[in-house]
Amino acid sequence: GAVVSQHPSRVICKSGTSVKIECRSLDFQATTMFWYRQFPKQSLMLMATSNEGSKATYEQGVEKDKFLINHASLTLSTLTVTSAHPEDSSFYICSASFPRPGAGEYTEAFFGQGTRLTVV
Amino acid sequence: AQKVTQAQTEISVVEKEDVTLDCVYETRDTTYYLFWYKQPPSGELVFLIRRNSFDEQNEISGRYSWNFQKSTSSFNFTITASQVVDSAVYFCASTGGFKTIFGAGTRLFVKA
Repeated sequence: GAVVSQHPSRVICKSGTSVKIECRSLDFQATTMFWYRQFPKQSLMLMATSNEGSKATYEQGVEKDKFLINHASLTLSTLTVTSAHPEDSSFYICSASFPRPGAGEYTEAFFGQGTRLTVV
Repeated sequence: AQKVTQAQTEISVVEKEDVTLDCVYETRDTTYYLFWYKQPPSGELVFLIRRNSFDEQNEISGRYSWNFQKSTSSFNFTITASQVVDSAVYFCASTGGFKTIFGAGTRLFVKA
């Protein structure tokens, strides 16, 4: 299957600083990438959808000025948590997808390993 | 709107018991995918199975089996002869369009 690499796997930062998380598709071109957030013992909640070269679409309740998403190329999307606070501590996971021939717009997503962010 | 319901929050079994994890989905799409993922304590998502909406055949892979029934909008997952290493959180998910929506997850404890 397709490989998605996420970096870093763990990061600790001070309150008020910004943190950038990278999501790369290693062996395919990802037309669409997704960012999820998972709080302890909870499910994965979709934060935003990004298409290469266009602005991300954020889910309701997600602050777009706080969670900056850039999808500048078909193999890289970044999530920047700006002015991080302890309540932003969470597990962030990205996924990437691409249209499959004959499958129309429906395709599976391939997930990165996740980034555990701790804001102190 | 898409929705995935995993009614079982936690399940605890003794090793070698069979266990079934339930998943009920809602979607307005005629074409969609259903998935099961395993999330061990390390956090990464481990892909287990994908099923598209046109394929209702059940599937068996080793100790794992899946029962997809469109009539009841269910996609249940059974682990036969459970092992301690099966302890994890299991997520059922649905993809319609491009979005993958996850259920709340079922935490499985397998005791030796």
